Amino acid sequence: AQSVAQPEDQVNVAEGNPLTVKCTYSVSGNPYLFWYVQYPNRGLQFLLKYITGDNLVKGSYGFEAEFNKSQTSFHLKKPSALVSDSALYFCAVRDRNTGFQKLVFGTGTRLLVSP
Amino acid sequence: AAGVIQSPRHLIKEKRETATLKCYPIPRHDTVYWYQQGPGQDPQFLISFYEKMQSDKGSIPDRFSAQQFSDYHSELNMSSLELGDSALYFCASSTPSGDQETQYFGPGTRLLVL
Repeated sequence: AQSVAQPEDQVNVAEGNPLTVKCTYSVSGNPYLFWYVQYPNRGLQFLLKYITGDNLVKGSYGFEAEFNKSQTSFHLKKPSALVSDSALYFCAVRDRNTGFQKLVFGTGTRLLVSP
Repeated sequence: AAGVIQSPRHLIKEKRETATLKCYPIPRHDTVYWYQQGPGQDPQFLISFYEKMQSDKGSIPDRFSAQQFSDYHSELNMSSLELGDSALYFCASSTPSGDQETQYFGPGTRLLVL
């Protein structure tokens, strides 16, 4: 079975500082990995994904994530945080070998960027 | 760019009533997914359709049913509503080709069961 762990309920960072939101995953085969962001009363917005190839993935709004197979991690990073980055971030996984399409989400991490 | 459209955006129902949620995927997307997000919870997969056929099934109650129509829009039918059905219901769409595997989500339908 697939699962995702986001160990931090909340991450606090000052504007201009680098941020990291952690994600580890478990799948029986090879993963597709995704990050989504949710603003209050809004839908899930796609940020970036890892399918294959380069372990460092760049996405929207200056975010990037690094796939680490040995550590089964896919941490989200940004070099310089903005107050407008404050939102709820979800990591999600799909096992590409099962043929099933559903995404399994982590419990989410609330990012709070202070001015 | 066109996005996933969901209607209605908000819905209030009484217990034991029925509700129908609609989803219109991004043009040329042939796969639709439904997720349920309870208060303070992560989204949970309910069901998906590819080319009008059910392609995957998650934790969808027997009281719920869904289908995808010839124009690729999808409807989630919910009967005998319970208080615990109050949640945000997301629809997402994707296409097997092109932008591989990315599911694009709609704004959601917030259902409140009283």
